[in-house]
Amino acid sequence: TQLLEQSPQFLSIQEGENLTVYCNSSSVFSSLQWYRQEPGEGPVLLVTVVTGGEVKKLKRLTFQFGDARKDSSLHITAAQPGDTGLYLCAGPSGGGNKLTFGTGTQLKVEL
Amino acid sequence: SAVISQKPSRDICQRGTSLTIQCQVDSQVTMMFWYRQQPGQSLTLIATANQGSEATYESGFVIDKFPISRPNLTFSTLTVSNMSPEDSSIYLCSVARDTFGEQYFGPGTRLTVT
Repeated sequence: TQLLEQSPQFLSIQEGENLTVYCNSSSVFSSLQWYRQEPGEGPVLLVTVVTGGEVKKLKRLTFQFGDARKDSSLHITAAQPGDTGLYLCAGPSGGGNKLTFGTGTQLKVEL
Repeated sequence: SAVISQKPSRDICQRGTSLTIQCQVDSQVTMMFWYRQQPGQSLTLIATANQGSEATYESGFVIDKFPISRPNLTFSTLTVSNMSPEDSSIYLCSVARDTFGEQYFGPGTRLTVT
């Protein structure tokens, strides 16, 4: 079973601060996805990283895939209250388009 | 992308009863997934539902407790049977699209069993 461990589990910061969320595994993944989930909604796909060492930017969010494709990180610059939510990494496993989801990082950004 | 709706959005049920959750997709998809999630926590896959075949259940989930129907390529239902308070959770359906199996989720059904 491929596991994805995220850290930190909880993060409470002030508006304007920077933060990094980590997603680690002992297994190699062909790709990794990041989702954000807001209360009362389903997870929404943010990005997919495919190539080892790849860096993708989505406005203030920067995603990186580790060189060995066993880990990924999400960095948020100048966090805003709208960034509040549950962040989940996920990777393909078991075939048939099934995903293994990470343990999750609950982020709260306060004014 | 895909637009997915779920009904009901939430419900409060008594133990021993059953609830059927509906999932509707705006386009035809081969595979649909059903997940369970405790608020603020990660997702646990219950089963994969393919049109025209029996659903495939993950370890710890059985058909008698979570029967699934998949009558066509845009619709699926999940029934939570003989409910107990331990079944209180958020239930989500999703579909897989795009190149790397990215999934698109419905808004979820929040179930409380008393």
